[in-house]
Amino acid sequence: GEDVEQSLFLSVREGDSSVINCTYTDSSSTYLYWYKQEPGAGLQLLTYIFSNMDMKQDQRLTVLLNKKDKHLSLRIADTQTGDSAIYFCAAAFGSGNTGKLIFGQGTTLQVKP
Amino acid sequence: NAGVTQTPKFRILKIGQSMTLQCTQDMNHNYMYWYRQDPGMGLKLIYYSVGAGITDKGEVPNGYNVSRSTTEDFPLRLELAAPSQTSVYFCASSSFRGSATNEKLFFGSGTQLSVL
Repeated sequence: GEDVEQSLFLSVREGDSSVINCTYTDSSSTYLYWYKQEPGAGLQLLTYIFSNMDMKQDQRLTVLLNKKDKHLSLRIADTQTGDSAIYFCAAAFGSGNTGKLIFGQGTTLQVKP
Repeated sequence: NAGVTQTPKFRILKIGQSMTLQCTQDMNHNYMYWYRQDPGMGLKLIYYSVGAGITDKGEVPNGYNVSRSTTEDFPLRLELAAPSQTSVYFCASSSFRGSATNEKLFFGSGTQLSVL
């Protein structure tokens, strides 16, 4: 069935770039999303990319989409301690799009000072 | 601007007890969702609603019930709590309008539920 997979943990030093990766199974996904969850809070939308795009840049965030390999990545430039959080990749599957998202397991980003 | 409000924030239940998790949104969104988040497992969709009076099952609906009598409210009911329902529950809403639009979800801050 439809699935979204992420690695569970990433540790970087403050000022370095972080790259969080995600793979998905359904090539018919229309939009792919990155959500951020800070401790004790709900998820907040960080950015999204439409499936006919290869790249989207938004300030320190760069999203790359490789449709052939069904691979999505989120790059955070100049990572700060405030970026420490869990990052979720999510996709809307199927041509009968009903607004439901499938989420990955989440990648915990640890930023060391 | 309240957004999506969930209550309670924490709850401990005994096996077999019942409870209702409350969710309300003030953004006039048609779509509302209930997810559960288990450690290392991401979010799983329990139920969703595309508008008042309409609900449908998600990936993991067993043991839960929902209702949507108004646009604003989408309560989640656990009838006979089981330890497998220990989780963090998130309510979300969106103004989704169809496949040409993106499904930006607005999340509540979550309810941490333990069933002992």
